[in-house]
Amino acid sequence: GIQVEQSPPDLILQEGANSTLRCNFSDSVNNLQWFHQNPWGQLINLFYIPSGTKQNGRLSATTVATERYSLGYISSSQTTDSGVYFCAVSRYGQNFVFGPGTRLSVLP
Amino acid sequence: DTGVSQDPRHKITKRGQNVTFRCDPISEHNRLYWYRQTLGQGPEFLTYFQNEAQLEKSRLLSDRFSAERPKGSFSTLEIQRTEQGDSAMYLCASSLSGLAGSYNEQFFGPGTRLTVL
Repeated sequence: GIQVEQSPPDLILQEGANSTLRCNFSDSVNNLQWFHQNPWGQLINLFYIPSGTKQNGRLSATTVATERYSLGYISSSQTTDSGVYFCAVSRYGQNFVFGPGTRLSVLP
Repeated sequence: DTGVSQDPRHKITKRGQNVTFRCDPISEHNRLYWYRQTLGQGPEFLTYFQNEAQLEKSRLLSDRFSAERPKGSFSTLEIQRTEQGDSAMYLCASSLSGLAGSYNEQFFGPGTRLTVL
């Protein structure tokens, strides 16, 4: 099955800093999502981005499907950005595979 | 519709007891997924339904686990003879899938946290 890697595993930032999260996957996919899991366990949709670039406020993401990676960007980080960021991928008609996540801590 | 809902939010049970969780997807969504998440890990796929048909089951879904989605609406996940290793967050997601899974954005519920004593 598809393997998904995320880096870095842990990230500590000072409030206001920028960061880049990476998701690598081992095979071609046609679905890719980024999620933020808050401290209560809720998975919040950030982006549905099987290819291309999207932006939503301070967050953006880029997926280069041909090279099997996706990047997530957080600019001007805030303490409320803390939590775990997951990338999840699937191929046509198959189940989703999640990466191990990047745990982000934003310090005031 | 306010999103995917799950009930209960927390369940504490003794080893050997049976438990059942419910998931209500977003109403027009045709796919429904169950995942399990243990501490420090990403969610792991358990099973999914396309309407009322259960199309795929992970090998994580032992014969003590059973899931149903009667009439293609809500779904239930039952665990029989619970073990301490079943302690985890059980997450449900739904999606409106395009042809052959070509578009498939998932939306997650808040999860049911199971503790087996």
